[in-house]
Amino acid sequence: DAGVTQSPTHLIKTRGQQVTLRCSPKSGHDTVSWYQQALGQGPQFIFQYYEEEERQRGNFPDRFSGHQFPNYSSELNVNALLLGDSALYLCASSADRGENNQPQHFGDGTRLSIL
Amino acid sequence: AQSVTQPDIHITVSEGASLELRCNYSYGATPYLFWYVQSPGQGLQLLLKYFSGDTLVQGIKGFEAEFKRSQSSFNLRKPSVHWSDAAEYFCAVVASGGSYIPTFGRGTSLIVHP
Repeated sequence: DAGVTQSPTHLIKTRGQQVTLRCSPKSGHDTVSWYQQALGQGPQFIFQYYEEEERQRGNFPDRFSGHQFPNYSSELNVNALLLGDSALYLCASSADRGENNQPQHFGDGTRLSIL
Repeated sequence: AQSVTQPDIHITVSEGASLELRCNYSYGATPYLFWYVQSPGQGLQLLLKYFSGDTLVQGIKGFEAEFKRSQSSFNLRKPSVHWSDAAEYFCAVVASGGSYIPTFGRGTSLIVHP
């Protein structure tokens, strides 16, 4: 049973570019959350998707957007990249089915470096 | 809004010694509490969770944590540390009865000496 898978594992971009990160949730999970983890910090919640809708959003600008597909996989898009966007981006999935209290399973993340 | 404080950035212990990692939270009611571990280059793995009931929670890999409402704490413990326990440990809090948006502490890095 595959867990949460993320692609790519590493990515290098330059300022101003756009990036798309991908996540496949654990089998049986319907809810996907995205986090940004800067070096030496804990993960910070970006947003959460359920039933192809953004359900919750953290304190991140509109440059950060996402999408969830009918198969529950998800994408995180970041436009107009800044140096400060360099971080590990983590995807987490859960079997919330709207209940909002299920522990999340994390992928290994995508390391994004902005030059 | 809830918040989490992990006061120790680094903890160094000898293999076989006991371990306690501190976590304090700020929230008006009883929250949901979690401990996660992150090995280098990997995502977070759930060690244990507290929702309600028994305040001493057992987790995987021999870890346990105790919820103390009076101290707003949820400290992680292990009686005998193994070299493979060296990793980053994160405490997280979720507001119970609300939207599931976990707030993580900044983490404690555990170093294990042979």
